[in-house]
Amino acid sequence: SQQGEEDPQALSIQEGENATMNCSYKTSINNLQWYRQNSGRGLVHLILIRSNEREKHSGRLRVTLDTSKKSSSLLITASRAADTASYFCATDPFSSGSARQLTFGSGTQLTVLP
Amino acid sequence: DGGITQSPKYLFRKEGQNVTLSCEQNLNHDAMYWYRQDPGQGLRLIYYSQIVNDFQKGDIAEGYSVSREKKESFPLTVTSAQKNPTAFYLCASSPTGNRSPLHFGNGTRLTVT
Repeated sequence: SQQGEEDPQALSIQEGENATMNCSYKTSINNLQWYRQNSGRGLVHLILIRSNEREKHSGRLRVTLDTSKKSSSLLITASRAADTASYFCATDPFSSGSARQLTFGSGTQLTVLP
Repeated sequence: DGGITQSPKYLFRKEGQNVTLSCEQNLNHDAMYWYRQDPGQGLRLIYYSQIVNDFQKGDIAEGYSVSREKKESFPLTVTSAQKNPTAFYLCASSPTGNRSPLHFGNGTRLTVT
């Protein structure tokens, strides 16, 4: 089952602008992770935010988490053409079992125009 | 450099044939995963293994099989029972016991005609 859903599905911006992607999920989580995928390649982990954190920064990335609204946002500041990729959120569910299954959303396709 | 190697990058098979996708990691991770990705969609979990000689079904295990005889290796067999096998397959790994991120290989694109 896909718990995380990104919005928008596609985003096109000019180089230098900021890009904001949103993720909504349905159940309680331990953490939420953002990944990036270049076309035809594997996913690369960008940032992890725990359920007791509200904001986290990594370079030009800023992630927020609102557990009351079950939503997260990823902000990429001063975007570059090289940021063009698909971005996925993944939720690490707060489950009682020992099995650990990340659930991925369907992604936001970001295009940064030079 | 540590990482995950998936081979081959592209694979073509005729309908009715079984095919095995390779995944090898040298990160010394205990847990390994197989995901399927269809165009414009997210990842769906096929199988995962948290320790050698043990594995569990994910959300879409029907038509697939795996083995975990060595820590470094987690091959996925797509059997003829899989109704729609054409997809992009991604292998991942993570250290077990903590909620750490996944490390992914670069995928195998399987086309069945």
